[in-house]
Amino acid sequence: AAGVIQSPRHLIKEKRETATLKCYPIPRHDTVYWYQQGPGQDPQFLISFYEKMQSDKGSIPDRFSAQQFSDYHSELNMSSLELGDSALYFCASSTQGGETQYFGPGTRLLVL
Amino acid sequence: EDQVTQSPEALRLQEGESSSLNCSYTVSGLRGLFWYRQDPGKGPEFLFTLYSAGEEKEKERLKATLTKKESFLHITAPKPEDSATYLCALKVSGTYKYIFGTGTRLKVLA
Repeated sequence: AAGVIQSPRHLIKEKRETATLKCYPIPRHDTVYWYQQGPGQDPQFLISFYEKMQSDKGSIPDRFSAQQFSDYHSELNMSSLELGDSALYFCASSTQGGETQYFGPGTRLLVL
Repeated sequence: EDQVTQSPEALRLQEGESSSLNCSYTVSGLRGLFWYRQDPGKGPEFLFTLYSAGEEKEKERLKATLTKKESFLHITAPKPEDSATYLCALKVSGTYKYIFGTGTRLKVLA
């Protein structure tokens, strides 16, 4: 079965640079979620989108922005990167009426 | 405040030694409680969704149960390949996000 696709899988950036992470949800899933997971920590919710509109917002820094496109894929844009942004970034998807979120393999971001 | 607490933080079992992982929660309105398995450096893999107290779900050696205050993930006769971090998450009514617990790191020794 098709799963959530994330790209890139690994990303290395310098401080103050920008990064764009992409997420392609499971076919027919219209809701996308972004999470950040630091080393040894649980995933922390950043933001979610349903039908291209922001549906919920968590602890997403003002330096980050995200959007969902007409094909339901989503991009997380991260600017003025800091060392503390180094983490695994997961995207998950679900149907709007579904409660279960299915996670992608993650993007590992390293900020040097 | 909506909160999820998992215990123990880490657990070492011998192969075949059954045990249970705990997920206690306080929530204003529960839309669902979810169990995931996560291997190092990988995304959480969905295991179970529980919606109401008294509900049980089973899959191979795993069984999840739910009460009004906690959920248990029972592991029967575990194998080394069951070694992973098991995450509990809940979804609060009126929101889209999950609130995760910090997980239980399970190590099953051959």
